[in-house]
Amino acid sequence: NAGVTQTPKFQVLKTGQSMTLQCAQDMNHEYMSWYRQDPGMGLRLIHYSVGAGITDQGEVPNGYNVSRSTTEDFPLRLLSAAPSQTSVYFCASSSPGQGSYEQYFGPGTRLTVT
Amino acid sequence: AQSVTQLGSHVSVSEGALVLLRCNYSSSVPPYLFWYVQYPNQGLQLLLKYTSAATLVKGINGFEAEFKKSETSFHLTKPSAHMSDAAEYFCAVSSGNTPLVFGKGTRLSVIA
Repeated sequence: NAGVTQTPKFQVLKTGQSMTLQCAQDMNHEYMSWYRQDPGMGLRLIHYSVGAGITDQGEVPNGYNVSRSTTEDFPLRLLSAAPSQTSVYFCASSSPGQGSYEQYFGPGTRLTVT
Repeated sequence: AQSVTQLGSHVSVSEGALVLLRCNYSSSVPPYLFWYVQYPNQGLQLLLKYTSAATLVKGINGFEAEFKKSETSFHLTKPSAHMSDAAEYFCAVSSGNTPLVFGKGTRLSVIA
């Protein structure tokens, strides 16, 4: 199993540009989440999904959109990038239904907005 | 709502000394608790987890944590620090059916 994969690893955007961060998992996990990590702030939840077709907002959802059309994929869209969105983004998956409560993390995407 | 407080954003220990990283949680339901480690420029790796079985949980790399309901704590310990333990450590809480809520992290430095 590849686990949780994220692309790209690094990205530089100009203010106002849009882009999609990709996340995929091959563990048949029903739960998927997006977090952002900023120095001194820990990881903060952006959006999450408990299954295909179901998404919900986390702590810091503004400026981000998600959709979940398949179990495997959970892309994060930045509609109009702002310097405040400079961060490291982590995707994670878990499967409480299978008794797996811990989240498995991808390697992260480091995003810089200039 | 659930929350996690990690006391000390930076802890420094000598090689061979006891490591103690503190975590207190708040949860209105029985919690599931986790410790993750992050090495520089890497993702998060699960160290150990508490999911309502034994209150003393052993993890990888010699780490362990004890769930104390009366103190709402889940402190992480290791008897003898190694240089390779230098990293950032995150405590997290969940109700089981919700995403993890993370503390702000504690950076561990190990001095030779």
